[in-house]
Amino acid sequence: EPEVTQTPSHQVTQMGQEVILRCVPISNHLYFYWYRQILGQKVEFLVSFYNNEISEKSEIFDDQFSVERPDGSNFTLKIRSTKLEDSAMYFCASSDATGPYEQYFGPGTRLTVT
Amino acid sequence: LAKTTQPISMDSYEGQEVNITCSHNNIATNDYITWYQQFPSQGPRFIIQGYKTKVTNEVASLFIPADRKSSTLSLPRVSLSDTAVYYCLVGDEPRGANNLFFGTGTRLTVIP
Repeated sequence: EPEVTQTPSHQVTQMGQEVILRCVPISNHLYFYWYRQILGQKVEFLVSFYNNEISEKSEIFDDQFSVERPDGSNFTLKIRSTKLEDSAMYFCASSDATGPYEQYFGPGTRLTVT
Repeated sequence: LAKTTQPISMDSYEGQEVNITCSHNNIATNDYITWYQQFPSQGPRFIIQGYKTKVTNEVASLFIPADRKSSTLSLPRVSLSDTAVYYCLVGDEPRGANNLFFGTGTRLTVIP
């Protein structure tokens, strides 16, 4: 069964540093998303991406964040100048054109900002 | 987006049927009801989706009454591995990206 993959599984970084979280969505999917989950809290939508541009973003997704699909397979989330409160689990998800709510989530990247 | 309300937690013994009810009084005509499951340290996983009446798949059943103001996720004969958080989501199906807005979910604990 095809799956979404994410790397790294755990990233530790110092406050102020930039990090790039990587995702490989399911190959025939067209819609891509990033969510985050702070420990013990609910899953929060960050951004959606379709046709090489951002479709929608939440209030969390400010100028500190950016997304990119640099090639035909990868989907990245860049966090510039990380803050302590960016520590969370970051999930990538993808969906195809026929399953609006059937999003397939990756295993997540645990980001720890020290 | 319609607001959803579901119990914070539930306990069940192995082998029992578990029913988790979600209230969505302000559901709109175009809204679908979708349930996701999340195990600790994993991403959410789609379980089932429905619009009205009953939907069944290999994992669960979803019961939606005629007024659609609530829905019930039914898990038959749960096992320890069904211990997870279950999320009820309600939203429409616009063309384009469909962003999921998760609530706090229901934490189901299956007891041996």
